[in-house]
Amino acid sequence: DAKTTQPTSMDCAEGRAANLPCNHSTISGNEYVYWYRQIHSQGPQYIIHGLKNNETNEMASLIITEDRKSSTLILPHATLRDTAVYYCIVSRGNSGNTGKLIFGQGTTLQVKP
Amino acid sequence: DGGITQSPKYLFRKEGQNVTLSCEQNLNHDAMYWYRQDPGQGLRLIYYSQIVNDFQKGDIAEGYSVSREKKESFPLTVTSAQKNPTAFYLCASSGTGFSYEQYFGPGTRLTVT
Repeated sequence: DAKTTQPTSMDCAEGRAANLPCNHSTISGNEYVYWYRQIHSQGPQYIIHGLKNNETNEMASLIITEDRKSSTLILPHATLRDTAVYYCIVSRGNSGNTGKLIFGQGTTLQVKP
Repeated sequence: DGGITQSPKYLFRKEGQNVTLSCEQNLNHDAMYWYRQDPGQGLRLIYYSQIVNDFQKGDIAEGYSVSREKKESFPLTVTSAQKNPTAFYLCASSGTGFSYEQYFGPGTRLTVT
């Protein structure tokens, strides 16, 4: 599975959009980009994933560059409850392999009032 | 409510004792996983199971054992052979095939003294 690079920490004002970048320059054609977040002392929460196209759900939007070497997670209107560690993970999903998710250090997002 | 339950939330044991952590899911998922998280670190895969009565070692299986007798249940035993058992343990489940996200339980924090 490809490695990812994320900034260690970011701040965002409450009510503004939070844009979290991720680099995955060694991603291969059958690997998806997944985003999870972990609020302190809780289990990680799945946010969104995508392969090539941009994706949107009720929590966030995922923008993947055309060459697929980087992506951005967008929380459109950040709230204090969005303060968490955000993990960008590249994985082949669970297609007959381990389904292992490699969690790096992630980005600590601090939403401030 | 569908989801994953882990019990107990906090567990204290003396060194040299085996301890079993519970994980139950009612999401009808075939695959289940156990991860370990140390302070300030990402998650590391201990064991995973793609189907009942079958499981494989992850990256850090030494000192741990699992069973998968039922689809809904994937208990983890931390044996006395595990050198540094104090950690936050997370169970997850997913469907199988491409592009299946993992859903995590709330975790069990194990302290061994």
